[in-house]
Amino acid sequence: GAVVSQHPSRVICKSGTSVKIECRSLDFQATTMFWYRQFPKKSLMLMATSNEGSKATYEQGVEKDKFLINHASLTLSTLTVTSAHPEDSSFYICSAWIAEGYNEQFFGPGTRLTVL
Amino acid sequence: GQNIDQPTEMTATEGAIVQINCTYQTSGFNGLFWYQQHAGEAPTFLSYNVLDGLEEKGRFSSFLSRSKGYSYLLLKELQMKDSASYLCAPLDSNYQLIWGAGTKLIIKP
Repeated sequence: GAVVSQHPSRVICKSGTSVKIECRSLDFQATTMFWYRQFPKKSLMLMATSNEGSKATYEQGVEKDKFLINHASLTLSTLTVTSAHPEDSSFYICSAWIAEGYNEQFFGPGTRLTVL
Repeated sequence: GQNIDQPTEMTATEGAIVQINCTYQTSGFNGLFWYQQHAGEAPTFLSYNVLDGLEEKGRFSSFLSRSKGYSYLLLKELQMKDSASYLCAPLDSNYQLIWGAGTKLIIKP
């Protein structure tokens, strides 16, 4: 099956710093990537939809200036959490979607962000 | 609005069978996924139903009734490693997955 990687898997940073999370589709080209965050014992919350070569579409309530998304190629999307604060601590998961008849999203392993 | 309804938690015995029900309301429908999620990990794909009926895949089967907005996941011959959360996620008209909180399944020896 299709493989999606995320890096880093865990990151601890100080409040006020920025953190970049990479999401890569390893053996396929993803026209669309999704970024989710998940709080403990809660459902996944879609943050934004990212299409290669265009601006990301953010869900209501997600600050686009705080969560910068760049989908520079068909295999790479990045999420940068700018000026991170402790309330940004969460589990961030990306997924990649192959268009052309496939409805399945392939999930990365997730990134655990802890902001001190 | 869009809504997913699953039991919060279920308990079953190793070797037994368990059925996890899901009812949903979405804006449009393009199929329904079931995912398994272990604590601290990303979801992993279990099944996808787009037509009514039962899809069987090894120990796991998934059923869909579009007219009733209803699906279930059936797990047979339960193993301890099946202890996880099970997420029912329909795909809406925009091909976005709609997530509920999932069902935490606890398997006891």
